[in-house]
Amino acid sequence: AQSVTQLGSHVSVSEGALVLLRCNYSSSVPPYLFWYVQYPNQGLQLLLKYTSAATLVKGINGFEAEFKKSETSFHLTKPSAHMSDAAEYFCAVSDLWGQGNLIFGKGTKLSVKP
Amino acid sequence: GAVVSQHPSWVICKSGTSVKIECRSLDFQATTMFWYRQFPKQSLMLMATSNEGSKATYEQGVEKDKFLINHASLTLSTLTVTSAHPEDSSFYICSARDLGTSGSSYNEQFFGPGTRLTVL
Repeated sequence: AQSVTQLGSHVSVSEGALVLLRCNYSSSVPPYLFWYVQYPNQGLQLLLKYTSAATLVKGINGFEAEFKKSETSFHLTKPSAHMSDAAEYFCAVSDLWGQGNLIFGKGTKLSVKP
Repeated sequence: GAVVSQHPSWVICKSGTSVKIECRSLDFQATTMFWYRQFPKQSLMLMATSNEGSKATYEQGVEKDKFLINHASLTLSTLTVTSAHPEDSSFYICSARDLGTSGSSYNEQFFGPGTRLTVL
């Protein structure tokens, strides 16, 4: 069985500060990993995904994530937060080599202070 | 990029009525669509997997007779909440899997904007 744990349900940073959202996964097979962003009352938008190629994955809006197998982690980072980054972020893992369903973490709400 | 639409974006209905939500893949074919439910400030909970031309596969604890899913074409899946009650009020999100054979979008799920259901 696969699972995802997002540490911290709420993260608050100042504008211009580093954003770090943590995600750890559990999987018995090599995983596909995803980060999604959700703005209020909207669906999910894919930020980036890891599909067993490069371990450092660059996504949209300046976000990136690094797959670390030894730590079973896939933390999301952004060097400098913008006000527009305030949203809910979900980490997800896919089973069956990426052809299966997505299993989501509980989400982390990012707040950005001016 | 691949676009998924949902209709309606929000709906308010009386208890006991049925509500249909449509999920469409606009520029790609999706043999598989997924229906999620999201409670306030919580994560997405997969309700069912909808496969074109066959019966949907429901997750444990989801009432198939209450949440009717039809996937009649490669671009359309519908979720009907039958005899809705206030506890069915939620944000329903669909996604569609792109089975394109090239590029990085293979097997990727694309999400609709969601439907806010409020049952009075």
